[in-house]
Amino acid sequence: QKEVEQNSGPLSVPEGAIASLNCTYSDRGSQSFFWYRQYSGKSPELIMFIYSNGDKEDGRFTAQLNKASQYVSLLIRDSQPSDSATYLCAVNRRGNKLVFGAGTILRVKS
Amino acid sequence: NAGVTQTPKFQVLKTGQSMTLQCAQDMNHNSMYWYRQDPGMGLRLIYYSASEGTTDKGEVPNGYNVSRLNKREFSLRLESAAPSQTSVYFCASNGAIARETQYFGPGTRLLVL
Repeated sequence: QKEVEQNSGPLSVPEGAIASLNCTYSDRGSQSFFWYRQYSGKSPELIMFIYSNGDKEDGRFTAQLNKASQYVSLLIRDSQPSDSATYLCAVNRRGNKLVFGAGTILRVKS
Repeated sequence: NAGVTQTPKFQVLKTGQSMTLQCAQDMNHNSMYWYRQDPGMGLRLIYYSASEGTTDKGEVPNGYNVSRLNKREFSLRLESAAPSQTSVYFCASNGAIARETQYFGPGTRLLVL
């Protein structure tokens, strides 16, 4: 079992719809959780981070964390073609190292 | 403020050749990291340096060495390149607190023939 698992996709949604990206992790000691967006040929850039159970909203993005279920998700409202990218879930276990999932490809169709 | 910079952007090597990938950050971060990214594999940690003067192995350290030259610079060396090391290499940095976001450089594309 991988430490951080994501559905590879591609996840296709129409423009204006909600995109829901999911991630599960195996280490219950994980402390912080990050979502990175990566455009083709570019480096990862941070979208959101979340430390506590519940929801965290930032503009069109909402991160959701459920530590009991070891599950973290990212919702993108009013999806735009510019949101088309690979979304990487990353988990910070004890210490200062991140473990990344393989990423979910999102395609927003206009 | 350039953030994290990497050189070179692209490199082609023959099997057995050596090279050093350079990384520098100007954010006064204590911790620095080297990752490789392969299709379908996500980012995998090669080596990291929690602070100046310390380095530790990550998930995939075999075939690599690192040097934390000073607080700003962290280099990755391939002593004898192999085709399996064809990948995109990213350097990242963050502060000393575990929760802090990692910031990534633009990456180095390496092709080993």
